[in-house]
Amino acid sequence: SQKIEQNSEALNIQEGKTATLTCNYTNYSPAYLQWYRQDPGRGPVFLLLIRENEKEKRKERLKVTFDTTLKQSLFHITASQPADSATYLCALDRSRGSYIPTFGRGTSLIVHP
Amino acid sequence: DVKVTQSSRYLVKRTGEKVFLECVQDMDHENMFWYRQDPGLGLRLIYFSYDVKMKEKGDIPEGYSVSREKKERFSLILESASTNQTSMYLCASRMSTQETQYFGPGTRLLVL
Repeated sequence: SQKIEQNSEALNIQEGKTATLTCNYTNYSPAYLQWYRQDPGRGPVFLLLIRENEKEKRKERLKVTFDTTLKQSLFHITASQPADSATYLCALDRSRGSYIPTFGRGTSLIVHP
Repeated sequence: DVKVTQSSRYLVKRTGEKVFLECVQDMDHENMFWYRQDPGLGLRLIYFSYDVKMKEKGDIPEGYSVSREKKERFSLILESASTNQTSMYLCASRMSTQETQYFGPGTRLLVL
């Protein structure tokens, strides 16, 4: 069965630096991958979607890459700010063509002023 | 903007009680979902609905049921609450032609 791995350890970085979060998956070839942000006690909020035929996608300070050979997605936040501190979840389709995602457990990002 | 609302932010119930969690979305989305989220386990799908009066089991449906009588409303029912159902419950909705899910704020349920 498919498996999604996100680093369970929190990522601590200094304000202004680039944060890079990793999402690895195994036993599967997803058609798309999504990234969500979740603040404590709140529901996840969609950030970006990248499809298997796309290598990279950008939105303001956010950048997502999708390497289907490595079975990995990287999520970058440039010029990070304390307000970027949150948990970031990746999600991929649980079967090809399915609109139902399977979520990773998320990685906590802490940006220090 | 899509808005998904959940009936309660916090709820305290006793073991054996019947519990109703309500979710309403205002964007005419066909698909709706119920998840629970627990530390270390991530988001787990309980039930989802493709459309009115339709429901499908997710990964952990045991102990839960759902109801979708109107397109905008999706209810999660705990028939007889147990302490292991203490969790954060999240509702989500989505257009049937798009992958993105829109989540509600969550209901933190404590079963004593």
